[in-house]
Amino acid sequence: NAGVTQTPKFQVLKTGQSMTLQCAQDMNHNSMYWYRQDPGMGLRLIYYSASEGTTDKGEVPNGYNVSRLNKREFSLRLESAAPSQTSVYFCASYRQGLSYEQYFGPGTRLTVT
Amino acid sequence: GQQLNQSPQSMFIQEGEDVSMNCTSSSIFNTWLWYKQDPGEGPVLLIALYKAGELTSNGRLTAQFGITRKDSFLNISASIPSDVGIYFCAGRPYGQNFVFGPGTRLSVLP
Repeated sequence: NAGVTQTPKFQVLKTGQSMTLQCAQDMNHNSMYWYRQDPGMGLRLIYYSASEGTTDKGEVPNGYNVSRLNKREFSLRLESAAPSQTSVYFCASYRQGLSYEQYFGPGTRLTVT
Repeated sequence: GQQLNQSPQSMFIQEGEDVSMNCTSSSIFNTWLWYKQDPGEGPVLLIALYKAGELTSNGRLTAQFGITRKDSFLNISASIPSDVGIYFCAGRPYGQNFVFGPGTRLSVLP
C-alpha cells in the first residue's frame, strides 16, 4: 500500500497561472482533505470531501476549487495563483466511523512569484 | 477559526532526556491525535486518543487525553537524535473537522 500520494512534489508558478494538485489514496477511505501549512501556523483546512460525490469548504477556501474524481482521488485547483498561496499543501484521508485517524501525503511545495 | 495552543513552541534537550509537551483548547474535543513531521515530509501519525483520561503508548512515546477533554499531553522518554522534528497535536470537536496546533519543534543535542 502506498497510502496517500501527491503530485507534484514541487511547483513554481507565476502570478495568474493555474494548476491542479493531485492526491490519491489506496486505503479505501471515505473522507479526503486538503490542508495548507504556513510557517508558525497549524495546518489549515482548505476543502474536504466527506464521501465520494460531496465536497465542502473548510477554513480557507478562497482561491481554490476541488474535485472528488472518485473514491480514491481528490484534486485541488488554483485557478489564478497569487503569492499569498505560496505554501506547502497536504492531502489527508481517513475512514469515517471506524476511527478518526487521518493519514497524510508527503506534500506539494508551491511557490508563486 | 478554532485554535489550539501548543507548548513549548520549541525545546532543546540532551540526548537521553525525557520530553513533555502539551496541547490546550478552549473547546471540548472527542478525539486527540499526535503527529511528528520531519523536514520536507508529511505528518506521520504517532498516537490516537478517544476517551477522557486515556493513556496510550507507542514505544517510547506516551500520550494522554486530558480529564477536562480540553487538553492532551505527549511524553517522549530517553530521547534519541531521530526524535528531532516538529510534533503536532490535532483535536476534533464532536461532529466537526480536526483543528491543528502550531507545533512544538524538538531539537536533540548529542
